[in-house]
Amino acid sequence: KNEVEQSPQNLTAQEGEFITINCSYSVGISALHWLQQHPGGGIVSLFMLSSGKKKHGRLIATINIQEKHSSLHITASHPRDSAVYICAEVDQGGSEKLVFGKGTKLTVNP
Amino acid sequence: KAGVTQTPRYLIKTRGQQVTLSCSPISGHRSVSWYQQTPGQGLQFLFEYFSETQRNKGNFPGRFSGRQFSNSRSEMNVSTLELGDSALYLCASSRDGGDGYTFGSGTRLTVV
Repeated sequence: KNEVEQSPQNLTAQEGEFITINCSYSVGISALHWLQQHPGGGIVSLFMLSSGKKKHGRLIATINIQEKHSSLHITASHPRDSAVYICAEVDQGGSEKLVFGKGTKLTVNP
Repeated sequence: KAGVTQTPRYLIKTRGQQVTLSCSPISGHRSVSWYQQTPGQGLQFLFEYFSETQRNKGNFPGRFSGRQFSNSRSEMNVSTLELGDSALYLCASSRDGGDGYTFGSGTRLTVV
């Protein structure tokens, strides 16, 4: 059974801090997504990666396929980064079904 | 370019009723997938449609169904609503399901 575990569940940081959110999955995947959800529900896809590292602005996502682990880093965090961050795996079995972690609620205080 | 459009944004229904939600994908996107989000269970995959065919299905009862039209717009239907169906329903579109998703803003369904 596919399982996606995220840590921490909640994270509070001061503006400017470096943030790391972790995601572990249990079975082989074809890709892993990082999503951002703001209050109100809208979801934005931040990254889709199947190997290595991707960077977009202050956000960096890495994945280690052998260790079945991915991290999302936010450099120079800002209050507008406050949101729930969710990782989701794409099953390796050929389906495009996403299996989601429970999310990490990030609060960045000014 | 226009994003993924979900209608309606909010909906209140009574137990036992049925409901139909709509999702219009980004132009050129042929894959539409649906998700349910509740505080207790988080985000869960409902089903995915590609070129009018259901390609994948999650672990939901048969009361949850969907379809996709030739213009890629998709609808999902929930019959015999239960209180536990109260949730945010999100759809996402992509060109072919595996190349990144764009999510709609969701439909918040409340069953009373």
